[in-house]
Amino acid sequence: AQSVTQLDSQVPVFEEAPVELRCNYSSSVSVYLFWYVQYPNQGLQLLLKYLSGSTLVKGINGFEAEFNKSQTSFHLRKPSVHISDTAEYFCAVSENSGNTPLVFGKGTRLSVIA
Amino acid sequence: DAGITQSPRHKVTETGTPVTLRCHQTENHRYMYWYRQDPGHGLRLIHYSYGVKDTDKGEVSDGYSVSRSKTEDFLLTLESATSSQTSVYFCAITAGGNSYEQYFGPGTRLTVT
Repeated sequence: AQSVTQLDSQVPVFEEAPVELRCNYSSSVSVYLFWYVQYPNQGLQLLLKYLSGSTLVKGINGFEAEFNKSQTSFHLRKPSVHISDTAEYFCAVSENSGNTPLVFGKGTRLSVIA
Repeated sequence: DAGITQSPRHKVTETGTPVTLRCHQTENHRYMYWYRQDPGHGLRLIHYSYGVKDTDKGEVSDGYSVSRSKTEDFLLTLESATSSQTSVYFCAITAGGNSYEQYFGPGTRLTVT
């Protein structure tokens, strides 16, 4: 079974500053990794995914994440945040056998301060 | 937009009443999922389906049942709603091919009083 730990429940950051949202996972098999964003009162939107290949993955809205197998981490980064990035961010993992359900972390609330 | 709709979008019901939530998709995806979202818990899997009449339990399946009689509809039923089932419920599908990411519906906010 897989599990996901998002190390920070809340991250406040000033506008135009860089941000890193941390995610660690546990699994006995190889995995696929995902980051989703949820804006207030909305559903979840896929930011980026890692399936295989390059460990640095670029997503939408200027976000990127790096898969580190030895540290079982998949941290999300953005070099300069905007007010509009204020949202909740979820890291998720699934077995790499395809179409298996996602296991989510508990979420990190990013608050961008003007 | 992966063509996923959920109904109703909001519902208030009383303890002990049955409730059915519907997820409808228009793109013939084989895999469908029901999650619930609660503060401090992220999203947790309730049930999922890998084809018509093929379903399996998730992490928090107690008190819930599902049915999938046709590809496009996946129903979640609370046989006798309890206050602990107050939550936001999301339906999801897996995109086709080798992409494996899930796309989510807009959610149903259920309040059990």
